[in-house]
Amino acid sequence: DTEVTQTPKHLVMGMTNKKSLKCEQHMGHRAMYWYKQKAKKPPELMFVYSYEKLSINESVPSRFSPECPNSSLLNLHLHALQPEDSALYLCASSPRDKIYNEQFFGPGTRLTVL
Amino acid sequence: QQQVKQSPQSLIVQKGGISIINCAYENTAFDYFPWYQQFPGKGPALLIAIRPDVSEKKEGRFTISFNKSAKQFSLHIMDSQPGDSATYFCAANEETSGSRLTFGEGTQLTVNP
Repeated sequence: DTEVTQTPKHLVMGMTNKKSLKCEQHMGHRAMYWYKQKAKKPPELMFVYSYEKLSINESVPSRFSPECPNSSLLNLHLHALQPEDSALYLCASSPRDKIYNEQFFGPGTRLTVL
Repeated sequence: QQQVKQSPQSLIVQKGGISIINCAYENTAFDYFPWYQQFPGKGPALLIAIRPDVSEKKEGRFTISFNKSAKQFSLHIMDSQPGDSATYFCAANEETSGSRLTFGEGTQLTVNP
């Protein structure tokens, strides 16, 4: 299995809602990532987990809360988002959190905040 | 400060032609230069990557050319096909930042039949 899966594909939420994005991989990768991608822009790194521990937080607002329950799963909990948070949220994984490691991206969750 | 500059922003090529996308970087500590391809509604996928100890790497119709002294690298797509129509991102990585990638702004390639 060489796939990163993400659910849901699409999500519409109000500014007072709480929702979660889910990501799963079964490639035995020990590094997992959350990216945010706006239309016609490159992905922006948000968080990196290495061996289930948070290793990088790119100064992301606390309304985004990541969680890595085990080596195959990555969640992103959302609360009190703003309309400008609407974007494609991409999950990725790589064998290790090291240079030369290919990152495998999921198809993303298209988030709309009303 | 944008550390990887990519051009052109968009590119239209006829089927069978050569597509060329260029990237320039400033950080001399960058040590790994991947190219990602992204189709609409999909996540990016690694296309080809190069390290600065070689000046060229070829995989099928895709070639990376690397000029360390000029701090530039480029992607050439030979015999471009309509199925190559996608957004292409160059990226760079340095060892001290782990797997953190610095992306270029992207090039939207359209290959006309």
